[in-house]
Amino acid sequence: GQSLEQPSEVTAVEGAIVQINCTYQTSGFYGLSWYQQHDGGAPTFLSYNALDGLEETGRFSSFLSRSDSYGYLLLQELQMKDSASYFCAVRDRGGGFKTIFGAGTRLFVKA
Amino acid sequence: ETGVTQTPRHLVMGMTNKKSLKCEQHLGHNAMYWYKQSAKKPLELMFVYSLEERVENNSVPSRFSPECPNSSHLFLHLHTLQPEDSALYLCASSQRGGGYNEQFFGPGTRLTVL
Repeated sequence: GQSLEQPSEVTAVEGAIVQINCTYQTSGFYGLSWYQQHDGGAPTFLSYNALDGLEETGRFSSFLSRSDSYGYLLLQELQMKDSASYFCAVRDRGGGFKTIFGAGTRLFVKA
Repeated sequence: ETGVTQTPRHLVMGMTNKKSLKCEQHLGHNAMYWYKQSAKKPLELMFVYSLEERVENNSVPSRFSPECPNSSHLFLHLHTLQPEDSALYLCASSQRGGGYNEQFFGPGTRLTVL
């Protein structure tokens, strides 16, 4: 079957760096993306990696290794507002619409 | 209105009721999606419409019936639901084209089936 694995919860302190890992097993692969969802809110897009390597957007970075079927989201200089759920997602083929999501990682940022 | 809107935000219904969820996107996108989000489970893709044609149907029970009258509106008609159908139902839209079709989500409808 197709699946994405990510930790269910991560806790970190304000100002720290946290890494959320994602491994995937899908029939096709056309990029790994990350979404953030605050309690009671809608998922919002954070980043996308189609090729191996690191993509940086402000305090957030995302990494992909296609040979390892692995990626991570790196959050730096953590702020309380970063407390949310983070989902990795794989689009299983180009030109298609089917996006497979992980179950999400709940990040708790403590003062 | 901007982005993706969904109504109602909360819905409680009995197993014999018929109700509809509505989604509207104001982004000029040409693809729309319905997802089901249950606690501690991955988002489950239910249906995808591209240019008003259904292109994905993920083995969803027939008690869920989608409708896409135009590229801006998407409905999910519900009838004879089961308690296990209680969940957050999210609508999303994207623009089909080159590169990654980032999905923009609505706030969701919290559905409770009694």
